[in-house]
Amino acid sequence: QLQLQESGPGLVKPSETLSLTCTVSGGSISTTGYYWDWVRQPPGKGLEWIGSIHYSGSTYYDPSLKSRVSISVDTSKNHFSLAVSSVTAADTAVYYCASHCTSNNCYVRAFDYWGQGTLVTVSS
Amino acid sequence: QSALTQPASVSGSPGQSITISCTGTSSDVGTYNYVSWYQQHPGKAPKLIIYEVSNRPSGVSNRFSGSKSGNTASLTISGLQAEDEADYYCSSYANTFYVFGTGTQVTVL
Repeated sequence: QLQLQESGPGLVKPSETLSLTCTVSGGSISTTGYYWDWVRQPPGKGLEWIGSIHYSGSTYYDPSLKSRVSISVDTSKNHFSLAVSSVTAADTAVYYCASHCTSNNCYVRAFDYWGQGTLVTVSS
Repeated sequence: QSALTQPASVSGSPGQSITISCTGTSSDVGTYNYVSWYQQHPGKAPKLIIYEVSNRPSGVSNRFSGSKSGNTASLTISGLQAEDEADYYCSSYANTFYVFGTGTQVTVL
């Protein structure tokens, strides 16, 4: 059973870069067919997919966020990370890490494992 | 790309059935059978309840069912129970990226 855990600062100043890490336990981040995602949820609002990464380093981003977002992976530490640059108050949200897979023996292209989420507030 | 459209709220009495719609476009829901549904209780992470339009993950109640017609997917909850009161989100694959629905608050009367 995979477990995901987000970590990082809960407060970021406007115009700075938000950085979060998701540590994967109970399995390898290099598992075939698995992709590692970031999803956010502004207070009182809906879910927004930010992007995903494969252990090989291939990345996929939401087109509307692509210019400010970077996702990276460290297979030696079994974790992946999110960076969002030039943040504003609109980036205040609970940030979740999650996973999905594309193999035949899984819940294909569905987010099956989630972290508990971490609130990041953008404020001076 | 825009979020998939869901009704803001749906309600029903215990034992009744309710259906939540999720309307996208020919670029997402209409083309791919990778529609999934999530249940989210307050302060909790979302939980996968339907994948690939109509499949239930292991351990999810068979009171949850999914379907799709054209650009619209649907989630039906039958035999509504108090524990079903939560927010529900659909999601669709859209060729290298994913999009979520606007979310539906389900109230058990």
